[in-house]
Amino acid sequence: SQKIEQNSEALNIQEGKTATLTCNYTNYSPAYLQWYRQDPGRGPVFLLLIRENEKEKRKERLKVTFDTTLKQSLFHITASQPADSATYLCALDNQAGTALIFGKGTTLSVSS
Amino acid sequence: GAGVSQSPRYKVAKRGQDVALRCDPISGHVSLFWYQQALGQGPEFLTYFQNEAQLDKSGLPSDRFFAERPEGSVSTLKIQRTQQEDSAVYLCASFSVRAAQETQYFGPGTRLLVL
Repeated sequence: SQKIEQNSEALNIQEGKTATLTCNYTNYSPAYLQWYRQDPGRGPVFLLLIRENEKEKRKERLKVTFDTTLKQSLFHITASQPADSATYLCALDNQAGTALIFGKGTTLSVSS
Repeated sequence: GAGVSQSPRYKVAKRGQDVALRCDPISGHVSLFWYQQALGQGPEFLTYFQNEAQLDKSGLPSDRFFAERPEGSVSTLKIQRTQQEDSAVYLCASFSVRAAQETQYFGPGTRLLVL
């Protein structure tokens, strides 16, 4: 079955630095991969989607890469701000295309 | 509506009690999903509807869990004879196929605590 690993449960960085979060997957070749942000007590909010034929996607201060050979996605937040503090979830489509499979998430803390 | 809404936001149940959790998806979204999120974990898929048809219920953990969407809009997740291990946040999500994006829009969740 598909397996997703976000290899850091927590990441602490200083304001202004670039945060890099990692998502690795096994046993599957997904058509796309997504990143979501989740704040305490709230549902996940979509950030970016990258397809298997795309190497990189950007949105404002966010950048996602997708390496299908390494089976890895990297999520970057440049010029990080305390407001970026949240849990970030990586998600893949399941093989049936009927649901998303989520990683455990990485909790990012940006200190001023 | 403006987004996916869920009710109640919090539910405390005694072990053995039945509970019903409601989801109102974004108007016009034909696809609806239920997920279960334990503390410190990512959401885990429970079931998927397309309109009123339940196309995938492979994630339901036991036959105590039942979901329905009789008119293709509002959905209810019912848990019978609740157990302590059912304590979690239950998230509902919807998306529109016409948006050509596979992104899901999540509600705030219902936090269930079984005592």
